[in-house]
Parts: sequence; C-alpha cells; structure tokens
Amino acid sequence: SQQGEEDPQALSIQEGENATMNCSYKTSINNLQWYRQNSGRGLVHLILIRSNEREKHSGRLRVTLDTSKKSSSLLITASRAADTASYFCALLRVGNQFYFGTGTSLTVIP
Amino acid sequence: DTGVSQDPRHKITKRGQNVTFRCDPISEHNRLYWYRQTLGQGPEFLTYFQNEAQLEKSRLLSDRFSAERPKGSFSTLEIQRTEQGDSAMYLCASSLTAVGNTIYFGEGSWLTVV
Repeated sequence: SQQGEEDPQALSIQEGENATMNCSYKTSINNLQWYRQNSGRGLVHLILIRSNEREKHSGRLRVTLDTSKKSSSLLITASRAADTASYFCALLRVGNQFYFGTGTSLTVIP
Repeated sequence: DTGVSQDPRHKITKRGQNVTFRCDPISEHNRLYWYRQTLGQGPEFLTYFQNEAQLEKSRLLSDRFSAERPKGSFSTLEIQRTEQGDSAMYLCASSLTAVGNTIYFGEGSWLTVV
C-alpha cells in the first residue's frame, strides 16, 4: 500500500489529557505530514517532518518519525474540546505525490 | 481560509449527468492536486499538475473522470455520466514545487448523485 495507516481508528479522551496517534507506512518517503479535518471541511496542515528528522514540535503538537520502523506519532498535549477532529498522516513519496491514511477520529470530552 | 477556493461547494445531480468542479489554487503555487474523499476514509489521490502539465493521471478512477489546467492557474475536474458511486467530496490542493513543501487544501466540493 502506498498509504499510511493510522492507529487507533478512533480515540476518546477527557479534556486536558494527552492524545497520541500513530501512522505506519511501508514505502520510503521524503517527508511525512499530519493534517486535521473537522467534519465536512477541508484538511488543515499541522506539521511536517522530513525523513532526516526525528522529532518536531509546534505548540501543543509533537511529532516523531522513526524511518527504521516506518512509523510516526502525533502527540497532542493538554487536549481541548476544540481538538475534536479527524487526524491524517500524509506521505510524500518519490514522484511528489501525497498519499493519506484512513485517519484517527479524536473526540475530546469537555 | 487557506487561499485555495473550490466551486461549487455542493452539487446534487441526477445519475447520468455531467458535472464540473473548479479549483483556484493559491496564486503563486504551481502544483495542483485533486483528491476524492468518501465518508470515513482518507483523501484518495486522483491526479496532479505542475503548471499546465498533468504529471500523473493513472489514478483517475475511470475514463469518465478528466481534469484540466489550461493556463497553469485554475483547474477543472469533470465527471461524465455520473453514477451513484461518484458521490463523495472532491478536494483540491496546491503547493509550491520544491520537494517537501506543504500542500494546502480547499474546503472541498460535495457531490451527491441521485
């Protein structure tokens, strides 16, 4: 498969808790990006991590990349109800095409 | 608002009719992508352009699907002889050429085929 696969498919947490979602893939990549999608809306870019990077931070987001295991994780700290959305990883492969996984649906309970 | 605009946002059409969606990318972006997304799934890559050149179209779902970007600016995605299975959201995105650049998505065009 050229896509990433997110895990878990669905996640429900209390406000203030941390949320961790994972993305695994099978092919080599140039970079990996995480996107967020609110119901019925377009995708919003969150963070990009290049294949030679291991960790990146942006506000309450922390992304790690392990190219030896072909996996990435997205950590959202101190979650808020407004973080409720679907989260997708996108792989940039050779040929400059982006492939998306099936997503993790996150619900943050106030 | 990312700057990528799509029109129309919603389209209801009868089976067998043709539909066309338009995408206006961010003005300085030379790459433009089309994706399809069905409920509960991630976006599915369809095709992309660099300027006016369509560099990948093998993933268009059938020969009923076609896309153009005649002047390297806006793009259209046409679906001929629509079928109920074509009901989905069609997403457009754009980016700069350099490898690793972020792609920015529009809000999508919802298609319902009845």
